[in-house]
Amino acid sequence: KQEVTQIPAALSVPEGENLVLNCSFTDSAIYNLQWFRQDPGKGLTSLLLIQSSQREQTSGRLNASLDKSSGRSTLYIAASQPGDSATYLCAVPPGNNNDMRFGAGTRLTVKP
Amino acid sequence: GAGVSQSPRYKVAKRGQDVALRCDPISGHVSLFWYQQALGQGPEFLTYFQNEAQLDKSGLPSDRFFAERPEGSVSTLKIQRTQQEDSAVYLCASSSAATVGEQFFGPGTRLTVL
Repeated sequence: KQEVTQIPAALSVPEGENLVLNCSFTDSAIYNLQWFRQDPGKGLTSLLLIQSSQREQTSGRLNASLDKSSGRSTLYIAASQPGDSATYLCAVPPGNNNDMRFGAGTRLTVKP
Repeated sequence: GAGVSQSPRYKVAKRGQDVALRCDPISGHVSLFWYQQALGQGPEFLTYFQNEAQLDKSGLPSDRFFAERPEGSVSTLKIQRTQQEDSAVYLCASSSAATVGEQFFGPGTRLTVL
């Protein structure tokens, strides 16, 4: 069974710092990996989708990398801003099924 | 519509009541998913539809949970005889892909069972 782990569970940084969020998964036979953002009391907003054949994806200040063989993905946030404060979740579909397996998330706080 | 919508956004039920949660996926999206999210946790898969066919319901926690998508668009998740442990946020997602693809989530329905 696919298990997804995110470290750290919570992170607090001053504004302007670059930071890295980590995601690991136990079964490397994945089709893709998706990073989401969730604000308190809200649904999930898709940030980046990395296909299994890709090494990384970039969107603005966000960069996500994928290393299938080691079962790891990282989300890099450059020049963090208070508006980046949210919970960040990574998710992978197990095997050829469609349901996503989620990590518990990293709760990020960026202090002004 | 422009995104996935869910209703109601908040639902309070007395233990033993039946509830129905609605999901309107992005127009034309083939796949629809329901997830349950407990406080402080990531979402947990409940069930998956491809058009009107329910292809996977392995995540439904008990036979009190039932989902349908009769016309391949709107979906309803029904919980019968609600229990306190059913309190959670119920998220719906849709995808244009019939196979593995990017999922887009609705805002969720927060269910509180008293």
